Amino acid sequence: EVQLVESGGGLVQPGGSLRLSCAASGFTFSSYAMSWVRQAPGKGLEWVSDISGSGGSTHYADSVKGRFTISRDNSKNTLYLQMKSLRPEDTAVYYCAKDSYCSSSSCYDSWFDPWGQGTLVTVSS
Amino acid sequence: DIQMTQSPSSLSASVGDRVTITCRASQSISTYLNWYQQKPGKAPKLLIYVASSLQSGVPSRFSGSGSGTDFTLTISSLQPEDFATYYCQQSYSTPYTFGQGTMLEIK
Repeated sequence: EVQLVESGGGLVQPGGSLRLSCAASGFTFSSYAMSWVRQAPGKGLEWVSDISGSGGSTHYADSVKGRFTISRDNSKNTLYLQMKSLRPEDTAVYYCAKDSYCSSSSCYDSWFDPWGQGTLVTVSS
Repeated sequence: DIQMTQSPSSLSASVGDRVTITCRASQSISTYLNWYQQKPGKAPKLLIYVASSLQSGVPSRFSGSGSGTDFTLTISSLQPEDFATYYCQQSYSTPYTFGQGTMLEIK
């Protein structure tokens, strides 16, 4: 069974940093791109970032570019999201999700399945 | 960025009703369109991928159609467990974007 478990959320002051982790199991982790998606309280879904299976290609939403860094450790089957210069508007539940299958040369059609249970990040003084 | 617009934003319906939710992209996205269901306090769940492919384990009363800029999600006969919020999402290009959501409520 594919399973994704996020951790690392919590309360942080504006301007602070936090690192989220997503532990994956039940599939060949290095063969799949991974994404982070967030949801502010009472709001819709916002894609944050993705990373290819090898880790060699990353993309970011404009709202987090330059502040957040996505990475992965395929030896540990773990995805990360390093968040710096946090703002109140970054307050959200952060989900990791299994994304597209990647060959050695490219990644294919993208959809998010499954998702982890989410971890809450609260940015407040 | 590609903008995704869902309609309606909310919908009241009864068990057994046929329901259609629409999603429009601000530019052509071929069939790179996915649908998710989210219940309160839970993570989203994939229903439909590449516009019309039913995800394994999802009941056949769910179906998707469309290409280019206009897409639909249809539930043929609403069941009590279908009352939730539904999101479309384009995977044509990053930044991937979601519709604002359609909340499906019990009439």
